[in-house]
Amino acid sequence: EAAVTQSPRSKVAVTGGKVTLSCHQTNNHDYMYWYRQDTGHGLRLIHYSYVADSTEKGDIPDGYKASRPSQENFSLILELASLSQTAVYFCASSGQGGGNQAPLFGEGTRLSVL
Amino acid sequence: AQSVTQPDARVTVSEGASLQLRCKYSYFGTPYLFWYVQYPRQGLQLLLKYYPGDPVVQGVNGFEAEFSKSNSSFHLRKASVHWSDWAVYFCAVPTNTGGLSGKLTFGEGTQVTVIS
Repeated sequence: EAAVTQSPRSKVAVTGGKVTLSCHQTNNHDYMYWYRQDTGHGLRLIHYSYVADSTEKGDIPDGYKASRPSQENFSLILELASLSQTAVYFCASSGQGGGNQAPLFGEGTRLSVL
Repeated sequence: AQSVTQPDARVTVSEGASLQLRCKYSYFGTPYLFWYVQYPRQGLQLLLKYYPGDPVVQGVNGFEAEFSKSNSSFHLRKASVHWSDWAVYFCAVPTNTGGLSGKLTFGEGTQVTVIS
């Protein structure tokens, strides 16, 4: 069954600390994405990748790095976590085919930065 | 740039009543369009998607949506709401016209509350 698995599901981090969020997909998809969701808002794209060892900036990349070591794995890295990065983070994957592809989402990671 | 507006942040509906959630989009050309649902503390799940063709699209759990190019709209409907439909609903459109990626631009979502 197609799946996108995120870990951890929740995390509390300290301001200035490093945080790594992980994502694994078993869908054989080329594209992977990291979105951020703030309370009462929609999703905004942080980084995405269309092939291993390559990442692209999304709409709100500042303060975030991404890493795609393999087709299946995509990480989001906060080198110096800040209070403003408290949010829910979603990973998603999709196949090639352009705008008709509906990304498959993970369950989300709830991050609280204190 | 592509954009999506969901004008209703919150909708309260009685169980068994009908539901309509509004979505207006801005897109160069005729878009693909998507509705996702987010149940409490879960990820987003695809409800339905529109490909250019028949303007009425059937989705899961009795949901359907109607595309209107003249109104730039893609409204979601359900004839009889169940308590399990309590969730946040997102409308989305591809971020880029053309291209190979599935990047989406989302609306801000509509919270649906079901009352008995």
